[in-house]
Amino acid sequence: DADVTQTPRNRITKTGKRIMLECSQTKGHDRMYWYRQDPGLGLRLIYYSFDVKDINKGEISDGYSVSRQAQAKFSLSLESAIPNQTALYFCATRPGLDTDTQYFGPGTRLTVL
Amino acid sequence: QKEVEQDPGPLSVPEGAIVSLNCTYSNSAFQYFMWYRQYSRKGPELLMYTYSSGNKEDGRFTAQVDKSSKYISLFIRDSQPSDSATYLCAMGGSGGSYIPTFGRGTSLIVHP
Repeated sequence: DADVTQTPRNRITKTGKRIMLECSQTKGHDRMYWYRQDPGLGLRLIYYSFDVKDINKGEISDGYSVSRQAQAKFSLSLESAIPNQTALYFCATRPGLDTDTQYFGPGTRLTVL
Repeated sequence: QKEVEQDPGPLSVPEGAIVSLNCTYSNSAFQYFMWYRQYSRKGPELLMYTYSSGNKEDGRFTAQVDKSSKYISLFIRDSQPSDSATYLCAMGGSGGSYIPTFGRGTSLIVHP
């Protein structure tokens, strides 16, 4: 089984709809991240969380919100989706201070029409 | 100017070639440097990590960091078609926050 899973893997939605992307991990890591990837722009950080009570905005948080329901679950919401939020979204985890490795999920391809 | 510059390619090479992938950066506070490999429709996976200037080797892969020039490289020896992927450099500063800055990624195609 994959250590970091994302659901759904693909989603097509319409402008104005509320969308939730979910991330679950079995690695027991405290730190979780949400990124979006666009062609030519690389990975950009949306939100990150160092534990269940800690949520921080990243580089491009406008239009997004997150919820850390448990150590293993970190959800990303688009309250009112717009076409320029069409992108590939990745969740990542990191164990803690003793290593700098991030472990990425398989990604969610989101299309907003 | 972006903090991390990386040529998106694509870079096309024949099987067996030595590949050189590069990134430049502007933030002298960066202390750790990484290379991720991303296959199509997959998440990035860590290939190489280094915390200092110089070379680090792992099999066919060598990561090189030149902090004085703010330049990092990934060399792939005896490249294989299975190396075809996008390679992303990432780097960051010290401290516990660990928010790396990623390059845009370079698309590599190794043809038989």
